[in-house]
Amino acid sequence: DTAVSQTPKYLVTQMGNDKSIKCEQNLGHDTMYWYKQDSKKFLKIMFSYNNKELIINETVPNRFSPKSPDKAHLNLHINSLELGDSAVYFCASSHRLAGNTDTQYFGPGTRLTVL
Amino acid sequence: SQQGEEDPQALSIQEGENATMNCSYKTSINNLQWYRQNSGRGLVHLILIRSNEREKHSGRLRVTLDTSKKSSSLLITASRAADTASYFCATAPLTGGFKTIFGAGTRLFVKA
Repeated sequence: DTAVSQTPKYLVTQMGNDKSIKCEQNLGHDTMYWYKQDSKKFLKIMFSYNNKELIINETVPNRFSPKSPDKAHLNLHINSLELGDSAVYFCASSHRLAGNTDTQYFGPGTRLTVL
Repeated sequence: SQQGEEDPQALSIQEGENATMNCSYKTSINNLQWYRQNSGRGLVHLILIRSNEREKHSGRLRVTLDTSKKSSSLLITASRAADTASYFCATAPLTGGFKTIFGAGTRLFVKA
């Protein structure tokens, strides 16, 4: 069984549209993350939730809104998509948050292309 | 520049050779981790080294950490074609809250 899954794997959409990416983990982890990987492969944290509570919110446009209905799910909704939003978005989870000593388990990524 | 910068950006070697990748960072850390990313896939954790450790081994991987120089190296011995991937270091800064900061990675290509 896949530990961290994301849907969809590919997303192609027009500028101005609203889209969502879903993430689920079956590892029983308390903490989940969203990362954005740009074309130069640089991976940047966007959000982190611990037990459904938002604990990291980087400088991300408020067009991006994470939602965690339960600790196994962390979805990312993006409003009014822009060309610069094109990237690969990775969901990840870890057992705990404390001290960043925990391994993060990554999903397969969602490649978003905004036309 | 970013916390966690890998060097070189790209590395091409023959199967059987050793591959060494370096990571430099700027602020004091709790720990440093190395991850691998195969093309089109998510990152996979390889090894974690804590700030009070100097060297760690896992199979064909050897990681060193020099906190005085704020640098780490990842050595892959007897490389295989299947080791072809991008390798990222990730640091957990002491004062970074709960963030793990990734570098831009080293792209390793192992020729069969």
